[in-house]
Amino acid sequence: ETGVTQSPTHLIKTRGQQVTLRCSSQSGHNTVSWYQQALGQGPQFIFQYYREEENGRGNFPPRFSGLQFPNYSSELNVNALELDDSALYLCASSFGSSIYNEQFFGPGTRLTVL
Amino acid sequence: QQQVKQSPQSLIVQKGGISIINCAYENTAFDYFPWYQQFPGKGPALLIAIRPDVSEKKEGRFTISFNKSAKQFSLHIMDSQPGDSATYFCAASRDRGSTLGRLYFGRGTQLTVWP
Repeated sequence: ETGVTQSPTHLIKTRGQQVTLRCSSQSGHNTVSWYQQALGQGPQFIFQYYREEENGRGNFPPRFSGLQFPNYSSELNVNALELDDSALYLCASSFGSSIYNEQFFGPGTRLTVL
Repeated sequence: QQQVKQSPQSLIVQKGGISIINCAYENTAFDYFPWYQQFPGKGPALLIAIRPDVSEKKEGRFTISFNKSAKQFSLHIMDSQPGDSATYFCAASRDRGSTLGRLYFGRGTQLTVWP
C-alpha cells in the first residue's frame, strides 16, 4: 500500500508568481485536506476535497484554490505569491470526510517565496 | 485566533523520565482530540486520540488525560526514549457542521530526550 506522496519536495518562487503543488492520496482514500505549516507553527487548515468537491475551507484568501481529480489525487494552486506564503504545505488523505477517519499526512512541499 | 493552545513550546527530558505536554481549547463543540508526532522532514502522524466521553486513554507508553470541565487535555509519555524526540502537536476537531473534517492544531512542542 502506497502512502501519501507530494511533489515537488522543495520549490523556490518569487513574489507575484503562481505555484501548483500536487498530492497523491493513499490507495482507497477519497478525501484530501490541505494544510499550511509556517516555521515553528502548527498546521493551518486550507481546505478539504471530498469526491472532487470542496468540502470546507479555512481562513485563506481566494488566491488559494484547489482541485481533486477522479483518481482522488489533488492540486493546490496559489496565485500572486506573497512572502508570507513561505511554508511547508501538507496534504492529508482519508477515507471519508469524518474526522474519526484517520488523516494520513504526506511529507509536505517546502515553498520559499523570495 | 488560536483555537487550541499548547504548552510548553519545548521540553527536555532525561531518558526514562515522564514527558508531559498540555493543551487547552475554548470551543465546547469539539468532540475529537488527537495528538500527532512529527519528525524532521516528515508529515505529522497520528499518535493517539480521545473523545470527550472518557477521561483517559492509554496506548503503550502514551496516555491522554482529558478534563472536559476545564477544557484541557494532556499527553503523557512514560519511560521517555531518545527515539521519542520529535515535535508533538495536539489538535481538536468536530464531526459536524461547517468545520467537518477540519483539524485545529496547537503550535507544537519540541521534545528532546537525552540518553
